[in-house]
Amino acid sequence: DTEVTQTPKHLVMGMTNKKSLKCEQHMGHRAMYWYKQKAKKPPELMFVYSYEKLSINESVPSRFSPECPNSSLLNLHLHALQPEDSALYLCASSQEGAKDYEQYFGPGTRLTVT
Amino acid sequence: GEDVEQSLFLSVREGDSSVINCTYTDSSSTYLYWYKQEPGAGLQLLTYIFSNMDMKQDQRLTVLLNKKDKHLSLRIADTQTGDSAIYFCAESRSSASKIIFGSGTRLSIRP
Repeated sequence: DTEVTQTPKHLVMGMTNKKSLKCEQHMGHRAMYWYKQKAKKPPELMFVYSYEKLSINESVPSRFSPECPNSSLLNLHLHALQPEDSALYLCASSQEGAKDYEQYFGPGTRLTVT
Repeated sequence: GEDVEQSLFLSVREGDSSVINCTYTDSSSTYLYWYKQEPGAGLQLLTYIFSNMDMKQDQRLTVLLNKKDKHLSLRIADTQTGDSAIYFCAESRSSASKIIFGSGTRLSIRP
């Protein structure tokens, strides 16, 4: 099983809403990532969790709050977003150690902020 | 600084070979990747190459690396309509978790 799943597939939220994006993998990977991808642009790294601890935060605004409840799950909590935060949010995972370089991506959540 | 560049578009005839090129600037790059993204989908890791290799072949895909010129290419033999997608070149250092992506090359197939 080399699948990373993400829910929901689409999300529309207002600027005052609170919502969460979810990501799950059952490959035994110990590193998990959030990326943001704007239209016609490459993915940009937001956060990295390694062994359930936040290891990289790419200066992401605090209205995005990641959480890693266990080694299989990764959440991204959203609050007071702006319209420019509308994008495809991609989750990825990789196996720590020798195969750390192989990142497997989920299908993404397409977020629209109104 | 870190930078990965690729041309934005490539159009090939069905059945021909596609060659997508990429240049990078970080001489300490250890892993170089090709990802494929179909419309509305996430990224699929197609193949990767270590910086101490010159070539890697995997079925219809051939990756060539010229480390001296910091040039990476992906050749797709016998291009099919299902190969239509955006192809991202990317690089990372040895054990760093950050992957630097190029801007992506949109491959279109004409009959």
